[in-house]
Amino acid sequence: DAGVTQSPTHLIKTRGQHVTLRCSPISGHKSVSWYQQVLGQGPQFIFQYYEKEERGRGNFPDRFSARQFPNYSSELNVNALLLGDSALYLCASSFVTSGEQYFGPGTRLTVT
Amino acid sequence: SQQGEEDPQALSIQEGENATMNCSYKTSINNLQWYRQNSGRGLVHLILIRSNEREKHSGRLRVTLDTSKKSSSLLITASRAADTASYFCATEPDTGRRALTFGSGTRLQVQP
Repeated sequence: DAGVTQSPTHLIKTRGQHVTLRCSPISGHKSVSWYQQVLGQGPQFIFQYYEKEERGRGNFPDRFSARQFPNYSSELNVNALLLGDSALYLCASSFVTSGEQYFGPGTRLTVT
Repeated sequence: SQQGEEDPQALSIQEGENATMNCSYKTSINNLQWYRQNSGRGLVHLILIRSNEREKHSGRLRVTLDTSKKSSSLLITASRAADTASYFCATEPDTGRRALTFGSGTRLQVQP
């Protein structure tokens, strides 16, 4: 079975630009969550979606937005990029909103 | 913000020795999970322990949970060089959104 996939793997953007990150969950999983991991720290929760509805939002500015599609894949959008947005962005999927999460390999975003 | 705090931040041991990592958290939880991360890539789920459980085993892993002290420990027995990674505890709250809150991690180095 294919695991959680994320694209792109690496991305370099300039301050002020916009970025879209993509995630495909494990087949049958209806919940997708996004996390930001800054170097040397643990992941921080950004969004959780279940059945295409937002079920939770972390303490991130409105520049961050996300959505989930009918096939349960998801996009994370970040507008007006700042240097501090440089991080590894992780997507995780699960059958429901609770319990163990299956993580993708992440997208490493560098903002210059 | 990080709820959990792992202790120690870094641990270096010889192959065959046991490794113990501790995690403390602040709020009431539904479950506590441990994840492993190799070289800044995706996280791998290791074990989940529910709030009404005190101890759980999985292969060479042993997890304990003390909800009165809001703490957990992960023991890896007979460690191998392949166990070298960062280990994170993550808590799922018992109310509201079910997003995971991660600690800052323990970096384990197993010397061959």
